[in-house]
Amino acid sequence: GQNIDQPTEMTATEGAIVQINCTYQTSGFNGLFWYQQHAGEAPTFLSYNVLDGLEEKGRFSSFLSRSKGYSYLLLKELQMKDSASYLCALMDSNYQLIWGAGTKLIIKP
Amino acid sequence: EAGVTQSPTHLIKTRGQQATLRCSPISGHTSVYWYQQALGLGLQFLLWYDEGEERNRGNFPPRFSGRQFPNYSSELNVNALELEDSALYLCASSRPGGPYSGANVLTFGAGSRLTVL
Repeated sequence: GQNIDQPTEMTATEGAIVQINCTYQTSGFNGLFWYQQHAGEAPTFLSYNVLDGLEEKGRFSSFLSRSKGYSYLLLKELQMKDSASYLCALMDSNYQLIWGAGTKLIIKP
Repeated sequence: EAGVTQSPTHLIKTRGQQATLRCSPISGHTSVYWYQQALGLGLQFLLWYDEGEERNRGNFPPRFSGRQFPNYSSELNVNALELEDSALYLCASSRPGGPYSGANVLTFGAGSRLTVL
């Protein structure tokens, strides 16, 4: 079967760095997505990884290790507006997206 | 460019009633997806429409149904509402064929919150 795990909630300080982990088990893999969802709003696309390694996009970076079934989203220079839920989703062998429950990130001043 | 629009924003129904939710995709997007987001759970896939056809269906009972119109807009119908159907229903669209890569990602609407009393 397929399974995705993310921490339920994390707290970090404004200006700091936070790493949100996502581990998964799947028989087929066609990429991993990260989305950001502010309360009451639509999820918005952050990153996509299909090969091992780090993808950097401004203050946000995403890492993938296919052999370990592991990804993380790294947020640098945290701002209050980064308070949101971060959703990890893997695309399986049938190109269907399997979503994690999301990590609620709380930023404190 | 207008984003994915959903209506209504909020809907309150009682058990046994029917609910209809509507979605308009981004212009040029022909694939529409419906997800259920219940509190504390990940997005649960409901339905995928592409070019007017149902392409895939998630693990939900038949009382969850929908359709896609010639203009690619879509509606989701939930019959015989149950209390556990209370959730945020998200619609997403993509260019033809589905989210196969980072170049053709899902774009979500803000959702319709359904409350069943």
